[in-house]
Amino acid sequence: EVQLVESGGGLVQPGGSLRLSCTAFGLSFNRYYMTWVRQAPGKGLESVAKIRPDGSAKYHVDSVKGRFSISRDNSKNSLYLQMNSLTAEDTAVYYCVREDYWRFDLWGRGTLVTVSS
Amino acid sequence: QSALTQPPSASGSPGQSATISCTGTSNDIGGYVYVSWYQQHPGKAPKLMIYEVNKRPSGVPDRFSGSKSGNTASLTVSGLQAEDEADYYCSSYAGGNNMVLFGGGTKLTVL
Repeated sequence: EVQLVESGGGLVQPGGSLRLSCTAFGLSFNRYYMTWVRQAPGKGLESVAKIRPDGSAKYHVDSVKGRFSISRDNSKNSLYLQMNSLTAEDTAVYYCVREDYWRFDLWGRGTLVTVSS
Repeated sequence: QSALTQPPSASGSPGQSATISCTGTSNDIGGYVYVSWYQQHPGKAPKLMIYEVNKRPSGVPDRFSGSKSGNTASLTVSGLQAEDEADYYCSSYAGGNNMVLFGGGTKLTVL
């Protein structure tokens, strides 16, 4: 079955760090752009970070630049999001998503990140 | 880059049609064909319903259709069914940093 499975979410204190992981099953992972999309509680969707199939280019939304870093390991069919200097505004469900020509056609179930003291 | 603008709510009766608008600028919706729509039920991940303005992925009913005029895209759901009640989000490529912009979402209620 083609699927994306996220892990690594949890409760973290303000200023803390967290690393999210996503493992891809049943797809040619190394062919696709991959993106992290987040959704704050009761709010809309926001693209956070994106990475080229070969990892040679990375893009981050302004609100996380310098704090978050996307990476991937194609040998492990895995995508990562390193999140540092977390604030309450980063509290959200983080989805791992396959992106193909600026459309998100495969979503994971999401992992919840809660930033609170 | 600002989010795309969607009405917070829309509604229609079973069997009728409902249309949701998504307004952007010439730098996003007006400038590219890469406009998509997503359906999200409570507690679930979003699902791609329309891509490249008016294309439907395999498995999406033809009751769902998309269009674009100038800087505004629209999603029309015909023959409304109870299961269509959900949040709907539009998105568009916006050039610049290669990221995708989303609308704020519209809650569709089937009366």
